[in-house]
Amino acid sequence: AQSVTQLDSQVPVFEEAPVELRCNYSSSVSVYLFWYVQYPNQGLQLLLKYLSGSTLVESINGFEAEFNKSQTSFHLRKPSVHISDTAEYFCAVSDARGGYNKLIFGAGTRLAVHP
Amino acid sequence: DAEITQSPRHKITETGRQVTLACHQTWNHNNMFWYRQDLGHGLRLIHYSYGVQDTNKGEVSDGYSVSRSNTEDLPLTLESAASSQTSVYFCASSAGTGVHNEQFFGPGTRLTVL
Repeated sequence: AQSVTQLDSQVPVFEEAPVELRCNYSSSVSVYLFWYVQYPNQGLQLLLKYLSGSTLVESINGFEAEFNKSQTSFHLRKPSVHISDTAEYFCAVSDARGGYNKLIFGAGTRLAVHP
Repeated sequence: DAEITQSPRHKITETGRQVTLACHQTWNHNNMFWYRQDLGHGLRLIHYSYGVQDTNKGEVSDGYSVSRSNTEDLPLTLESAASSQTSVYFCASSAGTGVHNEQFFGPGTRLTVL
């Protein structure tokens, strides 16, 4: 069975500081990995995903994540955060074997950016 | 624009009552999913459907049912609401069964069972 662990439930950070949100997964098979973002009172939006190829993936708003197979991690980073990045971030994994796309989510990390 | 909507956005009900949460998408997506979101658990899959007349149980399906009579709708029914079902419920849809097909989420329904 697959599982996802997000190591920090809350991450407070000052504006323009760097941030890393940690995600580790457990799986006996190949996986696809995702980061979703949830802004207050909204549904989830896909931020970025790793399916294959380059282990470093980027989003359009400056976030990046690196797939590390040996450490079973997919940490999310941003070199300089903005107030508007305040949100909850979810790491998710999907089984790469079959043709379906059920997602297993982590518990979430609440990123709070302070001025 | 195509979208996915959920109704009601907020619902308060009493223990033992039957409750139905609506999910409607206009993308003509084959796949639809229901999740519940609870503090400390993230999102957990309740039921999912890969097309009309197809329904499948997810991780936390006890006490819930769904039916898929058309492409656009996947209503979620709580047969006899319990306080443990107080949660935020999200519906999602995707075009196909490959992971290249992104899941799009609705705005959520906050359900309180008293």
